[in-house]
Amino acid sequence: GQSLEQPSEVTAVEGAIVQINCTYQTSGFYGLSWYQQHDGGAPTFLSYNALDGLEETGRFSSFLSRSDSYGYLLLQELQMKDSASYFCAVRDQGGGFKTIFGAGTRLFVKA
Amino acid sequence: DADVTQTPRNRITKTGKRIMLECSQTKGHDRMYWYRQDPGLGLRLIYYSFDVKDINKGEISDGYSVSRQAQAKFSLSLESAIPNQTALYFCAAGTGSTDTQYFGPGTRLTVL
Repeated sequence: GQSLEQPSEVTAVEGAIVQINCTYQTSGFYGLSWYQQHDGGAPTFLSYNALDGLEETGRFSSFLSRSDSYGYLLLQELQMKDSASYFCAVRDQGGGFKTIFGAGTRLFVKA
Repeated sequence: DADVTQTPRNRITKTGKRIMLECSQTKGHDRMYWYRQDPGLGLRLIYYSFDVKDINKGEISDGYSVSRQAQAKFSLSLESAIPNQTALYFCAAGTGSTDTQYFGPGTRLTVL
């Protein structure tokens, strides 16, 4: 079956760097995405990795290692507004290209 | 970004009632999705559609049905609502190449 593991909570201080890890198990991996969700809001797309390596978009970067079934989201120069939940999601080729989400990591940014 | 709207935004209903949640998108994306979100469980896929004639079950389709009335419209029905279907429901529309999904604002459903 498919499963994703990510930490339930992470706390960091403003201005710091934080890494949110995600390990996955799928029957037919196709790509790894990251989404941000603020309290009371809808998830918003951050990044997508289909190939190994690091993708950078401003303060956010996402990494994928297909051989290790592992990826991470790196947030730099943390700001208070980054306090939110972050979800990794895999696109699973097995069974029809479903998207499966992890349970989410709650990030608390402290002043 | 896709403009995805959901109606209603909040709904309270009783056990056994049939209810429909509606979703529309204005950016012409082929793919549409329905998810439910429960505290601590992330987003779970109920149904997804890659075009008007292609409907697929997700992880938790039992008790739900969908209809893709047009490319822009994807509705979710609960045939006979039960209390454990109380949740936040999100519709999304997206692209195929990068699996980017644009989410609607959500519908908070309470089944008494």
